[in-house]
Amino acid sequence: GAVVSQHPSWVICKSGTSVKIECRSLDFQATTMFWYRQFPKQSLMLMATSNEGSKATYEQGVEKDKFLINHASLTLSTLTVTSAHPEDSSFYICSARDGRAHEQYFGPGTRLTVT
Amino acid sequence: SQQGEEDPQALSIQEGENATMNCSYKTSINNLQWYRQNSGRGLVHLILIRSNEREKHSGRLRVTLDTSKKSSSLLITASRAADTASYFCATANQAGTALIFGKGTTLSVSS
Repeated sequence: GAVVSQHPSWVICKSGTSVKIECRSLDFQATTMFWYRQFPKQSLMLMATSNEGSKATYEQGVEKDKFLINHASLTLSTLTVTSAHPEDSSFYICSARDGRAHEQYFGPGTRLTVT
Repeated sequence: SQQGEEDPQALSIQEGENATMNCSYKTSINNLQWYRQNSGRGLVHLILIRSNEREKHSGRLRVTLDTSKKSSSLLITASRAADTASYFCATANQAGTALIFGKGTTLSVSS
């Protein structure tokens, strides 16, 4: 099956710093990628949808200036958490939609801890 | 926003018993999917049921869909300790692009 990777798998950063998370589709071209956030014992919440070469569409309540999304190629999307604070500590999961098959595949997630 | 609501929120059973989880959703759908997530890990796709299907099987999994009630159920038969995980239903958002997840059911199977 199609594979989506995320890097890093976990990261610890200090409050006020920025963190970049990468999401890659390894064996298919992803015209659309999605970013989700999951707090402990809660469900996945969609943060934004990004299409290759265009600006991301953010869900209501998600600060676009804080969560910068770049989808510069058909196999890579990045999420940058700027000026991170402890409340941004969460599990961030990306997914990628295969442009041809229209299937959606999920990455393994990135655990962010802001101290 | 969340499309689906699962119940129960938590379920504890013994190995060998069956586990049933229910999901209700709000809008019309083309299909509904079920995912499993082990603690702190990524999602594993379990099964997809289309809106014109009423029941689907995959191994020990049985999924039903009732579009008139906007509900689905996931049955895991002869459960094992390895089935311990959170289970989520998911449907497409209004744009038909992203998946929107329900709140999930946390299943604990003890041996």
